[in-house]
Amino acid sequence: DAGVIQSPRHEVTEMGQEVTLRCKPISGHDYLFWYRQTMMRGLELLIYFNNNVPIDDSGMPEDRFSAKMPNASFSTLKIQPSEPRDSAVYFCASTLQTGTQQFFGPGTRLTVL
Amino acid sequence: GENVEQHPSTLSVQEGDSAVIKCTYSDSASNYFPWYKQELGKRPQLIIDIRSNVGEKKDQRIAVTLNKTAKHFSLHITETQPEDSAVYFCAASIVSAAGNKLTFGGGTRVLVKP
Repeated sequence: DAGVIQSPRHEVTEMGQEVTLRCKPISGHDYLFWYRQTMMRGLELLIYFNNNVPIDDSGMPEDRFSAKMPNASFSTLKIQPSEPRDSAVYFCASTLQTGTQQFFGPGTRLTVL
Repeated sequence: GENVEQHPSTLSVQEGDSAVIKCTYSDSASNYFPWYKQELGKRPQLIIDIRSNVGEKKDQRIAVTLNKTAKHFSLHITETQPEDSAVYFCAASIVSAAGNKLTFGGGTRVLVKP
């Protein structure tokens, strides 16, 4: 298995632009998580899905952020409009069962100028 | 919500010595406590986890202890090696059928000096 796949690996954009991050979980994993990592705030959960349904989005910072999971093999995290404070590494992770190891993707490093 | 505190933020040890990282959590209902290792520029990877029905778990040079009463858990690395140098994160969560939402500590940067 290729593991969790994220794209793009790096994204540089200008303030105000729309950014879409993509994730393909490990096949068969029912849970998908989006995390953001910054020096100031550490590693924080944004939202997670179970069987494509959003379960907890309390970590989504504001309405500029949205996430979807249209099917079991694909999820997107969208920021519109982007701001410099959104600059971070965004990780997607998946797990087979609740309470078991979460497998992280390689991350997307986002820079908003 | 859950709050996880992690100490120390940085730890420098001599190769062969032991390293100990401590975490406290706030929600007594938390029942799953994983530890992740993140090397520079890489993704976090699970190294060990423990559930609330167990007080200690060991895997080769790594061990984790849990004190539910005091709401703290610790990571112990023995016989440290240069490849142990990384940032280590503890986390806590409540496992339910709907999922488990990990709350991470702030991380400990470990440097093993040869």
